[in-house]
Amino acid sequence: GDSVTQMEGPVTLSEEAFLTINCTYTATGYPSLFWYVQYPGEGLQLLLKATKADDKGSNKGFEATYRKETTSFHLEKGSVQVSDSAVYFCALKGGSYIPTFGRGTSLIVHP
Amino acid sequence: SQTIHQWPATLVQPVGSPLSLECTVEGTSNPNLYWYRQAAGRGLQLLFYSIGIDQISSEVPQNLSASRPQDRQFILSSKKLLLSDSGFYLCAGTGGRYTEAFFGQGTRLTVV
Repeated sequence: GDSVTQMEGPVTLSEEAFLTINCTYTATGYPSLFWYVQYPGEGLQLLLKATKADDKGSNKGFEATYRKETTSFHLEKGSVQVSDSAVYFCALKGGSYIPTFGRGTSLIVHP
Repeated sequence: SQTIHQWPATLVQPVGSPLSLECTVEGTSNPNLYWYRQAAGRGLQLLFYSIGIDQISSEVPQNLSASRPQDRQFILSSKKLLLSDSGFYLCAGTGGRYTEAFFGQGTRLTVV
C-alpha cells in the first residue's frame, strides 16, 4: 500500500536558518503530494501541494518539488522565523479514498 | 472554499459516559469524510472514513462508532468512554480522489 516517510524530529533551528524536512513516498500510480502544517491545539492546514512530476509547490516562503525519480517531496525554506514553529506533515493522495500521512516532524525555531 | 466546522473544541468526560462529536462540511457536496485521532506528539490515526450517506468503514476496532446521517454531517460516538479514548480528534474531508484534505479545528477530549 501507499506510505510516506518523513524525518524524525524535533528539528531545532535558530531564526533565519535554512530549513529542510525530508519526505519520501511509496505509491502506485501518480499521486498528488502535499505538505500540511499544524500549530498547537489546531487542525492541519494545507501549506502547499504538487500534482505531477517536477511541479514545485510554494507558499509563505516554503517550497517543495515533486521528484518522481527519487520519490521525494522535501520541504525547504530559506530563512525560518519563530512563527514557523509547528508540526509539519507530508502526505499523498492517489486513487484510494484514503489520504496517506507521514508521522509529522516538529520544528522548533529559537530567536 | 471547503470548510469543516467541528465542535466542541474541548471536552472533559467521566469514564463510562457517552460521547458525541459532530462535524459539518461547507463548500462541497458528496465529500469523503474522515475521523482521525492524534495522541500527544504523535501522528494521525485513521478511525473511520465515509464515502457517502450511511457508508462507514472502520479502520481500527475499538470503543467508538461513526455515522453519516446527511451528506455533509459526520458524527463520532461512544456509548461508554474509556480512559484510553482521551486524545485530539480531527474531522477531515476530501473533495475527490487526488485532492487535498481539509480539516476541522479538532476536539481535545479528556476522559477522567
